[in-house]
Amino acid sequence: KQEVTQIPAALSVPEGENLVLNCSFTDSAIYNLQWFRQDPGKGLTSLLLIQSSQREQTSGRLNASLDKSSGRSTLYIAASQPGDSATYLCAVNDNNNDMRFGAGTRLTVKP
Amino acid sequence: GAVVSQHPSWVICKSGTSVKIECRSLDFQATTMFWYRQFPKQSLMLMATSNEGSKATYEQGVEKDKFLINHASLTLSTLTVTSAHPEDSSFYICSARSPGLAGIEQYFGPGTRLTVT
Repeated sequence: KQEVTQIPAALSVPEGENLVLNCSFTDSAIYNLQWFRQDPGKGLTSLLLIQSSQREQTSGRLNASLDKSSGRSTLYIAASQPGDSATYLCAVNDNNNDMRFGAGTRLTVKP
Repeated sequence: GAVVSQHPSWVICKSGTSVKIECRSLDFQATTMFWYRQFPKQSLMLMATSNEGSKATYEQGVEKDKFLINHASLTLSTLTVTSAHPEDSSFYICSARSPGLAGIEQYFGPGTRLTVT
């Protein structure tokens, strides 16, 4: 059974810093990996989707990488802003189309 | 883009009553819908997968007689929490997928906050 782990569980940084969130998964036979943002009490906002054949995706200040063989993905946030404060979830979609989530990283960006 | 809605966004009910949550795909036909539960400061846990016109497949540990799922049309799935108890209080999120959409990406609803008193 696929297990997804996210490190760190919580992160607090001053505004303007670049930061990296980590996601690891136990079964490398994945279809894709997706990063989401979740604000308190809200649903999920999809940030980046990386297909298994891809190594990275970029959107604005966000860059997500995927190393399928080692079971790792990172989400890089450049020049962080207070508005980036949220929980970031990594989810792995395996070849049976079953999506498994990590526990998330709670990010706080201080002004 | 693909939009998924949920209704209600929040609900409070008394212990022992039943509550129904609706999940709709607004601009696409969802052959498969998923129901997740999220407890405070925890991640989403898949409860069940439903395909239109067939019975839902429940994850291990999820009581199918307590969490009734109906996926009667290509745009609507409902989750009914029967005989709710305070421990059922949680954030319930649905997602929908269509083979017509790019890849096999799931689109998530905004969630329903259930509080059982």
